[in-house]
Amino acid sequence: DAGVTQSPTHLIKTRGQQVTLRCSPKSGHDTVSWYQQALGQGPQFIFQYYEEEERQRGNFPDRFSGHQFPNYSSELNVNALLLGDSALYLCASSLVRGTDTQYFGPGTRLTVL
Amino acid sequence: AQRVTQPEKLLSVFKGAPVELKCNYSYSGSPELFWYVQYSRQRLQLLLRHISRESIKGFTADLNKGETSFHLKKPFAQEEDSAMYYCALLRLSGGATNKLIFGTGTLLAVQP
Repeated sequence: DAGVTQSPTHLIKTRGQQVTLRCSPKSGHDTVSWYQQALGQGPQFIFQYYEEEERQRGNFPDRFSGHQFPNYSSELNVNALLLGDSALYLCASSLVRGTDTQYFGPGTRLTVL
Repeated sequence: AQRVTQPEKLLSVFKGAPVELKCNYSYSGSPELFWYVQYSRQRLQLLLRHISRESIKGFTADLNKGETSFHLKKPFAQEEDSAMYYCALLRLSGGATNKLIFGTGTLLAVQP
């Protein structure tokens, strides 16, 4: 099991553009959470998907949206990119049980110029 | 509001010295607390969670509800322990949803 995988590894965009990041969960996991980690900060929760629906959302604007597919993989979309969106975006997977451990992917480094 | 505080950005110790990474939390319910570690160029990985009461790589952490703390300890630091350490609180929101609230992290540097 490769664990949680994310693509791409790095991405450079310009302000105003749109970006899509992808995540495949650990084998057997059905829940995907996305986090944003700015430089020098801990990860901040963006949202969580289960059964192809957004179940919970953190304090992020509507420019951040997501999707979960029937195979449990997920996408994070960010529209109208701002310089402040530059960060490491982490995907974590877990089982639907509320207290299950979340396992993280390697992240996608997004740079907005 | 739920919050996790790690007061030290950097902790530098010599090999063989004891280590204590501080973590304090604010949470109204029964907390589920975790320590995650990120070694250089590696992904964030779980080090331990308080409900398992395990000792991983010689690290232990005890939940102190009175002091709302979950400090990470190791009696003798090794150079390979050098990494970024994050304390995290699991916030349950009813049903199957949950999210982790992270502290800002402490960089542990173990000097030879």
